[in-house]
Amino acid sequence: EVQLLESGGDLVQPGGSLRLSCTGTGFTFVKYVMTWVRHSPGKGLEWVAAISGSGDNKNYADSVKGRFTISRDNSRKTLYLQMNSLRVDDTAVYFCAKSRALVPDGPTELDYWGQGALVTVSS
Amino acid sequence: EIVMTQSPATLSVSPGERATLSCRASQSVKYNLAWYQQKLGQAPRLLIHGVFSRATGVPARFTGSGSETEFTLTISSLQPEDSAVYYCQHYNSWPVTFGQGTKLEIK
Repeated sequence: EVQLLESGGDLVQPGGSLRLSCTGTGFTFVKYVMTWVRHSPGKGLEWVAAISGSGDNKNYADSVKGRFTISRDNSRKTLYLQMNSLRVDDTAVYFCAKSRALVPDGPTELDYWGQGALVTVSS
Repeated sequence: EIVMTQSPATLSVSPGERATLSCRASQSVKYNLAWYQQKLGQAPRLLIHGVFSRATGVPARFTGSGSETEFTLTISSLQPEDSAVYYCQHYNSWPVTFGQGTKLEIK
């Protein structure tokens, strides 16, 4: 059974940093593009970043480019999102998600999602 | 960036009836289009990928159609548990984008 488990969500002040983690089990982690998507009530779902199975290719939404960094440790089957220079409008539930299709590094649909990690940016 | 526009924003339909949700892309996404269902407090669930293909375990009353820039999700014989927000997503190129969602209410 595929499972994705996020951790690291917290309350942080504007300008602060936070790192989210997502551990994937029940599938061959290294073979799949992994993605972060966030959800806030006012904005719906927003794609944040994605990383190829090897970790060599990364893509970011313009809203987080230069502030967030996606990475992965395939030996630990873990995906990360390092978030710096956090802003109030980064407040959201952050989901990690697995690509359904086996593609090296292209965009795909997302078939399994974690339960989400709440990030609140507030003073 | 490809902009995905969904309509209507809210839809209220009686149980047993049919709901039709629309999604428009600002440029062609070919057949690289998925639909997700998100219930309150839950993670999104993949319903449809490749415009037409139902994900594992999705009932046959969920049907996707369309191509290029115009897409439709049809839910027939609505059940109370279909109450949710539905999102379309293109994955034709980076960056991937979602529509703003359609909230489906069951009367």
